[in-house]
Amino acid sequence: AQRVTQPEKLLSVFKGAPVELKCNYSYSGSPELFWYVQYSRQRLQLLLRHISRESIKGFTADLNKGETSFHLKKPFAQEEDSAMYYCAFGNNAGNMLTFGGGTRLMVKP
Amino acid sequence: DTEVTQTPKHLVMGMTNKKSLKCEQHMGHRAMYWYKQKAKKPPELMFVYSYEKLSINESVPSRFSPECPNSSLLNLHLHALQPEDSALYLCASSPPPGQGAGELFFGEGSRLTVL
Repeated sequence: AQRVTQPEKLLSVFKGAPVELKCNYSYSGSPELFWYVQYSRQRLQLLLRHISRESIKGFTADLNKGETSFHLKKPFAQEEDSAMYYCAFGNNAGNMLTFGGGTRLMVKP
Repeated sequence: DTEVTQTPKHLVMGMTNKKSLKCEQHMGHRAMYWYKQKAKKPPELMFVYSYEKLSINESVPSRFSPECPNSSLLNLHLHALQPEDSALYLCASSPPPGQGAGELFFGEGSRLTVL
C-alpha cells in the first residue's frame, strides 16, 4: 500500500531563511502527490500539486522518483507561512487522499 | 458559493445518543468525503461518495452511517459512539476526475465530543 512520510513534526526557522519540508513516499507506480496547508483557524486547503509544476506563495515542490521524495521548498520564509503542512498521496484520479503525518512550520521574526 | 459548510461546529453527545453531522456544497462537485482527524494527527479517510453512491468505506465501524441524499448534501449519522470517537470530522468535496484532480475542498469541521 502507498504511504507518505513526513519525518519532521516541527520545523522552526527565522524569517528570510530557506525552508524545506520533507516528504517521502512509497509506491511502485507513478504517484499523484500534493501539499496541503492549514493556517491557524482556517480550513485545510490545497497548496500545490506535482502535476502542475507551479509555484504558489513562493513554494515549489519537485517530484524526485529516484529518491521517492516530494519536498516542499521556499527560498525565503515569511512569518505568514507559519502553518501545518501535509504531504498527500492521491488515488483514484487523485481524489482519494492519504495524508502524511504533517509538519508544523514556525517562522520566527 | 465556493465553500463546504459543516454543521454543527461543535457537538457533545452521550454514548447512547443518536446525532447527525451535516455537510453541504454548491460547487457542483460530484465526489464528497468524510475524514476523521484526531488531535495532532493527519486526517484519515472514512467514506467516499461518488455521484451520490458510496464508493469507499475504509472499514469504518457501523456506528457511523453515511448518507448522501443528493449531490449537494452529505450526512454522517452517529449512534452508540464511544469516547475514543471524539475527534474533528471533516467533510470535503472535489470536482470530477479530470477537472482539478486532487483538489479537495474541505469544510471547517465538526468537533465531536463523546462522553
